[in-house]
Amino acid sequence: KAGVTQTPRYLIKTRGQQVTLSCSPISGHRSVSWYQQTPGQGLQFLFEYFSETQRNKGNFPGRFSGRQFSNSRSEMNVSTLELGDSALYLCASSSGTGGSPLHFGNGTRLTVT
Amino acid sequence: GQNIDQPTEMTATEGAIVQINCTYQTSGFNGLFWYQQHAGEAPTFLSYNVLDGLEEKGRFSSFLSRSKGYSYLLLKELQMKDSASYLCAVREEAAGNKLTFGGGTRVLVKP
Repeated sequence: KAGVTQTPRYLIKTRGQQVTLSCSPISGHRSVSWYQQTPGQGLQFLFEYFSETQRNKGNFPGRFSGRQFSNSRSEMNVSTLELGDSALYLCASSSGTGGSPLHFGNGTRLTVT
Repeated sequence: GQNIDQPTEMTATEGAIVQINCTYQTSGFNGLFWYQQHAGEAPTFLSYNVLDGLEEKGRFSSFLSRSKGYSYLLLKELQMKDSASYLCAVREEAAGNKLTFGGGTRVLVKP
């Protein structure tokens, strides 16, 4: 079974630009979550989508948004990029039931200059 | 909100045992996860506890005490490849797959 796939792996953007990250979950998984990882703040929850609906949202500004498609693939968008948005963005999928674990992708390393 | 604490760093010798503690405060507990993350790689799932007690999986075991807001991950027969960060994460009731992670414990295994 293929794992969680994130594209692109690396991205360099300039302040003020916007960026879209993509995530393909494990086949059959309906829940997709996004996390931001930085050395200072660790892993921070952004949002979760389940069956195309946002189920939970973290404490990030409205510049961070996401969506999920009918095939469970998900995209995350960050508009008006700031230097502080430089981070590893991790996508995780799960079946969404009970104690099912999150399975993480390898992430997208975003650098904002 | 939640508060999750774990030590920043631990060092141990190959073949030894290391115990990584995690304490948490949450308004509605609904499970605790442990993940391993090697530098530059994705976190990988190690264990899940929702009831009190010990869960054993090979060389790794995880313990939970809900009344004390406490968990530990026990790594036995340490190998060099166990050098990694270990992340404790808590899920709240009615929070879907929103996990709150601790800062991670970097374990360095020395020969």
